[in-house]
Amino acid sequence: EPEVTQTPSHQVTQMGQEVILRCVPISNHLYFYWYRQILGQKVEFLVSFYNNEISEKSEIFDDQFSVERPDGSNFTLKIRSTKLEDSAMYFCASRRSRSYEQYFGPGTRLTVT
Amino acid sequence: AQKVTQAQTEISVVEKEDVTLDCVYETRDTTYYLFWYKQPPSGELVFLIRRNSFDEQNEISGRYSWNFQKSTSSFNFTITASQVVDSAVYFCALSEAGSGSARQLTFGSGTQLTVLP
Repeated sequence: EPEVTQTPSHQVTQMGQEVILRCVPISNHLYFYWYRQILGQKVEFLVSFYNNEISEKSEIFDDQFSVERPDGSNFTLKIRSTKLEDSAMYFCASRRSRSYEQYFGPGTRLTVT
Repeated sequence: AQKVTQAQTEISVVEKEDVTLDCVYETRDTTYYLFWYKQPPSGELVFLIRRNSFDEQNEISGRYSWNFQKSTSSFNFTITASQVVDSAVYFCALSEAGSGSARQLTFGSGTQLTVLP
């Protein structure tokens, strides 16, 4: 069964550094999402992406964040200058057109020190 | 704006007991979708069930059942004869159709279910 994959599983970085989190959505899905879950808290929407552009973003998704689909398979989230409060689990999700359920990747745990 | 409330932060049951997880939602949309996701200790989010706002028929799938009541804005989830492997955090989520094609999910804060042997 196809699934969403994410790399790396765990990333440790120093405050102020740039990080890129990578995702490979399910191949026939057209809608892509990033969510964040700070340890012990709820899962929060960051951004949605369709047809090579951002379709919606939350207040969390400020100028420090960007997303890109550099090729036909990868979907990336970049944080330009990480802060301590960016430490969280980042989930990528995708869904098919005309479908509603989103399928999540295993997550990337980002630790900013 | 949409909101999902899961008032139960933690529930503990003994194996084979039935357990119901509560979810109450708020939305202004007339068409919306409700979901339950499971997050086991390994951390991934596993899709369990989706319900459309126009389909109030409740369903049973194996040991799982769902009770969707539009009148009380509730979407409760029951596990019958719970097992230790059911131990996880369960998230209720809402997606509004009126948000355009994005349909991002709004999650509740989750309920930690612990099933004791």
